[in-house]
Amino acid sequence: DTEVTQTPKHLVMGMTNKKSLKCEQHMGHRAMYWYKQKAKKPPELMFVYSYEKLSINESVPSRFSPECPNSSLLNLHLHALQPEDSALYLCASSQGGGTGELFFGEGSRLTVL
Amino acid sequence: KQEVTQIPAALSVPEGENLVLNCSFTDSAIYNLQWFRQDPGKGLTSLLLIQSSQREQTSGRLNASLDKSSGRSTLYIAASQPGDSATYLCAVPRPGKLIFGQGTTLQVKP
Repeated sequence: DTEVTQTPKHLVMGMTNKKSLKCEQHMGHRAMYWYKQKAKKPPELMFVYSYEKLSINESVPSRFSPECPNSSLLNLHLHALQPEDSALYLCASSQGGGTGELFFGEGSRLTVL
Repeated sequence: KQEVTQIPAALSVPEGENLVLNCSFTDSAIYNLQWFRQDPGKGLTSLLLIQSSQREQTSGRLNASLDKSSGRSTLYIAASQPGDSATYLCAVPRPGKLIFGQGTTLQVKP
């Protein structure tokens, strides 16, 4: 099983809403990632969790709050977002170390009104 | 600073052609290089991972080569099909993250 599962696939929210994106993998990977992708651009790294600890935060605004409840789950909590935050949010995982093969989920398409 | 470049940005070919996508990187000290495919609005699918000690990897009609000394990788697609139409991205790792190229958008016409 080389699957990374993301929910929801689509999310529409207002600027005052609080919502969460969820990601799950059962490959035994110890590194999990959140990426943001705008149209016709490559993915941009947001956060990295390694062995359930936040190891990289790419200066992401605090309106995005990651959480790693256990080694299989990764959440991204969203609050007070701006319309420019509308994008495809991708979760990925790899074996620990940051140099292994990355496996991505199908993404969550977020629209902020 | 590692920079990754993909040329061309877009490519349109008739069905059945063999084609080559290019990826170049500025720092040859890489652990590996990964090729991905992305369909519109979808996630990235890993196609091939080449370790720094390898010169090429093959999967079906796909063959990826790596030349660290020249800072280049190529993805060769044999006998292209309309279903190969997608954006192809290459990426190299840096501590904790991948550095992506801008991608090549391929259209294979029936």
